[in-house]
Parts: sequence; structure tokens; C-alpha cells
Amino acid sequence: DTGVSQDPRHKITKRGQNVTFRCDPISEHNRLYWYRQTLGQGPEFLTYFQNEAQLEKSRLLSDRFSAERPKGSFSTLEIQRTEQGDSAMYLCASSFRAAGSTDTQYFGPGTRLTVL
Amino acid sequence: GENVEQHPSTLSVQEGDSAVIKCTYSDSASNYFPWYKQELGKRPQLIIDIRSNVGEKKDQRIAVTLNKTAKHFSLHITETQPEDSAVYFCAASRDGNNRLAFGKGNQVVVIP
Repeated sequence: DTGVSQDPRHKITKRGQNVTFRCDPISEHNRLYWYRQTLGQGPEFLTYFQNEAQLEKSRLLSDRFSAERPKGSFSTLEIQRTEQGDSAMYLCASSFRAAGSTDTQYFGPGTRLTVL
Repeated sequence: GENVEQHPSTLSVQEGDSAVIKCTYSDSASNYFPWYKQELGKRPQLIIDIRSNVGEKKDQRIAVTLNKTAKHFSLHITETQPEDSAVYFCAASRDGNNRLAFGKGNQVVVIP
């Protein structure tokens, strides 16, 4: 499968615990995005990377959230001290940025987080 | 920031009929407009996109039209089939701001 992959697909945790999600983008893609999707809503942008550099973060991304893409390939999203409001689907997307164009984003299957 | 709205929220059509979903956007600088289809429990899948230098784009039974003056774009599905049943999301972005701003989605139900 050459698409975007995410792990785990489901995560159940207790409030106050830390969780980490992983995203593996399409191999030649230099951009990687994280979105959050709650029931009945469209995905909401969280952050994105170009190669290993984190270029933009949404105001939705509180101090408890951190994302990394250390070698410009896979990325991790960590949530510290989880709260029930963090329960959502966390989607990763990747794209190839070519000069002078708007890149097309391809999504992974998501990690569904449930905070009890 | 960009605000994207979709109408109607739910659309039921008879198999074989056409479905049209309309989105409006607020940022006149937006120049890229993709449509994603999301089936229950699955990833959003890009089905068609349009850039602001064209007014219409077609791909088999699917087409998208863009009206930059009115700041709206529409998805047209012809000869609908049961497998077209899904939630459809429109989105918008612009050069220099790579985040996609999504609408809330339209549930399309194709009745056999």
C-alpha cells in the first residue's frame, strides 16, 4: 500500500494520560499535515511540516499538543494530559509541494482517540 | 481566516438522478477548491479539485463549477449510484496558506 498510513487506528485512554500517534506519508511527499475531525464536522487543521520544519500551527493546538517530523519522513503527534474534549479522529495528510502550485493533500485512515 | 459553508446538510436522491452540493467561501484570495468523499469509518478521498484559473472541471460523472465573483463552487454528480452515498466535504485554500479549510459536510443518500 503506497498511501498514507497511520498507527494506531484506535486508541482508548484515560483522562490525564499521554498518547502518541504516528503518520507515515506517501514516500515522495515533502509536506505532512495533521487535522482533527469530530463527529458531524469537517477536518480542522492543526499543523503542517515541510520536510522536517514545522511551518504553521493552528490556535487549536494547545500547549499539550506537540508534533515532530524529525527526519522529514514520518511524523508523530503527542497529546499530553489528555482531556475528554480531545476525543476525535486525528487525520494525517501528505502532499508534494511543487513550485508555483497548490499541493493536493492525500489523507490517511486516521487514528480514533477516545478519552474516558 | 477562511470560512467555508456547505448546503444542504443532507441530500436524498433517487438512483439515476443528479445531485448538486454548493459551497460558499469567504476569502477572496482562496484559489484551490478540492472535494473529498468520506464513507463511514474511512479516510477522506479526493474526488475532484479545481483551481481558480478555470471555471469548470469534469471527470466522468463528477463535475465542479466555480464562480469566483460570487465566491461559491458546486459539486455535480450525474447518474447517481448507491455507491455514491457518503459524506462529501468541500474545502478551500490559497497559495502561501497551505491549510485546507473544510465545510461541515453533506450527507448524500442515493435511494435505489
